[in-house]
Amino acid sequence: QQQVKQSPQSLIVQKGGISIINCAYENTAFDYFPWYQQFPGKGPALLIAIRPDVSEKKEGRFTISFNKSAKQFSLHIMDSQPGDSATYFCAAITSGTYKYIFGTGTRLKVLA
Amino acid sequence: SAVISQKPSRDICQRGTSLTIQCQVDSQVTMMFWYRQQPGQSLTLIATANQGSEATYESGFVIDKFPISRPNLTFSTLTVSNMSPEDSSIYLCSANLGLAEETQYFGPGTRLLVL
Repeated sequence: QQQVKQSPQSLIVQKGGISIINCAYENTAFDYFPWYQQFPGKGPALLIAIRPDVSEKKEGRFTISFNKSAKQFSLHIMDSQPGDSATYFCAAITSGTYKYIFGTGTRLKVLA
Repeated sequence: SAVISQKPSRDICQRGTSLTIQCQVDSQVTMMFWYRQQPGQSLTLIATANQGSEATYESGFVIDKFPISRPNLTFSTLTVSNMSPEDSSIYLCSANLGLAEETQYFGPGTRLLVL
């Protein structure tokens, strides 16, 4: 019940296309859902985060869609660029516990 | 966002030795966290370090193997003791920062290779 299932494991997208990464969870106590971007040789960097009281959050080309009833959330990268090529991790946490549950990661490659 | 730095950035060590990794945050934080990330894998929490108290370890991680210090609100160390090749991994520290108390920011990681 503590797992966060992430798919796909890897993704290849053409430049200008839309990249979509999905995550699903079981624990309804989770109330904060961040996405992290990690480049090779670097630590994960917070990209965008959402709480379950909203269905969508957009920051630039990055959008989180949240479906509370389905217990799913997804990251959409619009107009994907080669510089977006990285590994993306979703995560979930229950406020006050300070313990993130991370997805397994998606390796995104955007072709020039 | 605050800056989190780690030293060393990478190291190659012999089996049976120990390595201490340092993590410095440029602002005071209550909680710091240590993670392990094996190549191509996700992040696994090792322990949570609060200033002034013993670290809290996750299942599968023990203090004798991964002793942690938290001497003040901006600094922590993780020691990987009696290393074996299976300890080869990336070790990351993180801290709760930002407006949302749940938000964790990560350091750049320490890449450890044990021969």
